[in-house]
Amino acid sequence: GESVGLHLPTLSVQEGDNSIINCAYSNSASDYFIWYKQESGKGPQFIIDIRSNMDKRQGQRVTVLLNKTVKHLSLQIAATQPGDSAVYFCAENNSSYKLIFGSGTRLLVRP
Amino acid sequence: EAGVVQSPRYKIIEKKQPVAFWCNPISGHNTLYWYRQNLGQGPELLIRYENEEAVDDSQLPKDRFSAERLKGVDSTLKIQPAELGDSAVYLCASSAFGGQQNTGELFFGEGSRLTVL
Repeated sequence: GESVGLHLPTLSVQEGDNSIINCAYSNSASDYFIWYKQESGKGPQFIIDIRSNMDKRQGQRVTVLLNKTVKHLSLQIAATQPGDSAVYFCAENNSSYKLIFGSGTRLLVRP
Repeated sequence: EAGVVQSPRYKIIEKKQPVAFWCNPISGHNTLYWYRQNLGQGPELLIRYENEEAVDDSQLPKDRFSAERLKGVDSTLKIQPAELGDSAVYLCASSAFGGQQNTGELFFGEGSRLTVL
């Protein structure tokens, strides 16, 4: 069946360092991928997306990389700040227009 | 501009009791979603509306869950009767897009946390 998973449930980084959050997906038919950030007590917040015809997309301090060969997605956060502490979800969307979320990675930023 | 508004934020009920959640999407967003998020997991879609039509309710447990979106704006999600396993956060989201335009620009509310005792 369809599934989206994450390699690491918790990632701890030093403030100012770069963070890399990884995600594996299983549905090769998925053509659109999204990263969401969820702070405690709040709903998920859209960060960045990428379509399957792209390998890389950059935003402000964030970069998403897509490797369709191994069905792997990553989110890179440059110069991680305390405000980046949250749970990060990758999600995939296929032609059924159903957004499937992974189980999340908690990012902890050490001062 | 106001975001997606949900109420109540928290609800504690005993099992077998009914409960209802309300959602007001962002003005102009024709697509509305209800998700359920269990502790430590990602949200799972329950139902998706385009305007007042439920276009995907395949994940909604229809024996006890019901939803409606009258007039294609506000929506309510009801559980009757609630079971212990229904304890979760119920998230509402809205989007300006739907149908052929799949986009991640879902705007989520802060959720309604349900605890069933």
